Amino acid sequence: DAGVTQSPTHLIKTRGQHVTLRCSPISGHKSVSWYQQVLGQGPQFIFQYYEKEERGRGNFPDRFSARQFPNYSSELNVNALLLGDSALYLCASSLPRTGGTEAFFGQGTRLTVV
Amino acid sequence: KQEVTQIPAALSVPEGENLVLNCSFTDSAIYNLQWFRQDPGKGLTSLLLIQSSQREQTSGRLNASLDKSSGRSTLYIAASQPGDSATYLCAVGHGSSNTGKLIFGQGTTLQVKP
Repeated sequence: DAGVTQSPTHLIKTRGQHVTLRCSPISGHKSVSWYQQVLGQGPQFIFQYYEKEERGRGNFPDRFSARQFPNYSSELNVNALLLGDSALYLCASSLPRTGGTEAFFGQGTRLTVV
Repeated sequence: KQEVTQIPAALSVPEGENLVLNCSFTDSAIYNLQWFRQDPGKGLTSLLLIQSSQREQTSGRLNASLDKSSGRSTLYIAASQPGDSATYLCAVGHGSSNTGKLIFGQGTTLQVKP
């Protein structure tokens, strides 16, 4: 079975541009979460979607948005890119069940803003 | 506000040594705790998941314990090998158990010398 897949793996954007990152969860997983990891830090929670609805949002500006599609894949959009948005963006999928879920992560998208 | 701290930030040991990585959290209202491994520039690999009702989990040379009342978890690695060199992250599941929000520590970077 395929794990969590993210695309693209790397990209370089210019300040002020817009970017779309994509994530396909593990088959059967209905929950997708997005995290931002800057160098030397632990991942920071951005969004969580479950059954195509936003269920949680971290402390990120409105320039960040996301959505989940009927097949449970997800997109993360970032507008008006800043240099500080340079980071590894991680997607995690999980199969919610009572008592908690195990999260499985993709390999990430390395975004560089110049 | 939930905060997760990992000590030490970095650790260097000779091959074959047993070692313990520490993780502490400020709010005991968690539904699970997960340990991850991250190789440089890569995504996260799940190592062990401990549900809030459990005290420990084992997988091969890895053993993780959880003490919710004291807000602590430890990851024990037996007979360390150079291939164990990586950054180890702990994350607590916080909020609704039907979602997947994780709060991460900053990680412990482990180097195992041959």
